[in-house]
Amino acid sequence: DSGVTQTPKHLITATGQRVTLRCSPRSGDLSVYWYQQSLDQGLQFLIQYYNGEERAKGNILERFSAQQFPDLHSELNLSSLELGDSALYFCASSVGWGPYNSPLHFGNGTRLTVT
Amino acid sequence: EDQVTQSPEALRLQEGESSSLNCSYTVSGLRGLFWYRQDPGKGPEFLFTLYSAGEEKEKERLKATLTKKESFLHITAPKPEDSATYLCAVLSLSGGSNYKLTFGKGTLLTVNP
Repeated sequence: DSGVTQTPKHLITATGQRVTLRCSPRSGDLSVYWYQQSLDQGLQFLIQYYNGEERAKGNILERFSAQQFPDLHSELNLSSLELGDSALYFCASSVGWGPYNSPLHFGNGTRLTVT
Repeated sequence: EDQVTQSPEALRLQEGESSSLNCSYTVSGLRGLFWYRQDPGKGPEFLFTLYSAGEEKEKERLKATLTKKESFLHITAPKPEDSATYLCAVLSLSGGSNYKLTFGKGTLLTVNP
């Protein structure tokens, strides 16, 4: 068990809808990362927060947004959902502000299915 | 653009049959290389970090090595419980102080009893 908790485990929704994925980092970790994993693309970095502030941005669509709250949990909001957004969404956390000397520890993901 | 290529895509071994997985990379300024293990339906589990060419790390039947262009994950006398997808990720510096972590697509290892 990595100590990173993600809810829900599964989510099925329709195109055009909006969903929120939630992540609780490991105790003591200040950074939260969001990744998207699809069969053909592998793990794609979306966004990172460090102690409540956006730290780095990857290939995150404008329809997607995230935030990290004062208690350090994070939420990823996906709106105007399309079929192509169906994927596994992983949250990871680390102690430091970057992955250089603090490896990422991943949750077990949220499987999103858009129908 | 940073690129990470893992080979083979899939590998099937008999229990006890040692082999190696490869991770080759093209990045501007490597800052570190990570190996992860991912079981079906689970998130990636951290295994190793390597920071410089020549470095080696070991954990049970796994040994990771790093050169200037690639990393190998050697599996000695594997057991069925070693079956998983092994992911490699490279860390590079992107614009000032921003780090960028790029994952390969993984090698699916199956170890038959």
